[in-house]
Amino acid sequence: NAGVTQTPKFQVLKTGQSMTLQCAQDMNHNSMYWYRQDPGMGLRLIYYSASEGTTDKGEVPNGYNVSRLNKREFSLRLESAAPSQTSVYFCATTGLETQYFGPGTRLLVL
Amino acid sequence: SQQGEEDPQALSIQEGENATMNCSYKTSINNLQWYRQNSGRGLVHLILIRSNEREKHSGRLRVTLDTSKKSSSLLITASRAADTASYFCATDETSGSRLTFGEGTQLTVNP
Repeated sequence: NAGVTQTPKFQVLKTGQSMTLQCAQDMNHNSMYWYRQDPGMGLRLIYYSASEGTTDKGEVPNGYNVSRLNKREFSLRLESAAPSQTSVYFCATTGLETQYFGPGTRLLVL
Repeated sequence: SQQGEEDPQALSIQEGENATMNCSYKTSINNLQWYRQNSGRGLVHLILIRSNEREKHSGRLRVTLDTSKKSSSLLITASRAADTASYFCATDETSGSRLTFGEGTQLTVNP
């Protein structure tokens, strides 16, 4: 089992470009999450999905959209990237109480 | 805003010594969890302590929770160079599986 996978691993964008970060899990979990982590900081929740077909805003949702495509996949979209969105993005899933994280996507917006 | 505040921000010790990290939080919680992050990697769950528990052990890890002071500590005994990582506390306030993470403690264990 792969657990939680994320693509791409690294991406460079120019200001104003758009992109979608992909996340997939094979753990059959209902809940999925997108976080961002800035240097020297903890994780901040962008959006989460408690179950297939539902999504909710987290602490820092502005500038992002999400899609829970099915139980396995949860994507994060930046419609018009800004330098302030330069960060490492982590996807996570939870079965009961603990979270399982993907390896992260490093995004640089120039 | 961050729920947890961790102390110290950075800790450097020698192999074999014990490492203690502290976490304070602001609101009532259902449980508190500790995660580890190796450089450039995703977080890995270490241990969970519930609000009605005061102490929990797992291998070389010992976690305490004081709900009256809204604080927790993580003790790693007999540290190894491989323990070098960032350690984060995370609180579950709503029992809905949403976690709020602290800013982390960077632990360096020197061989």
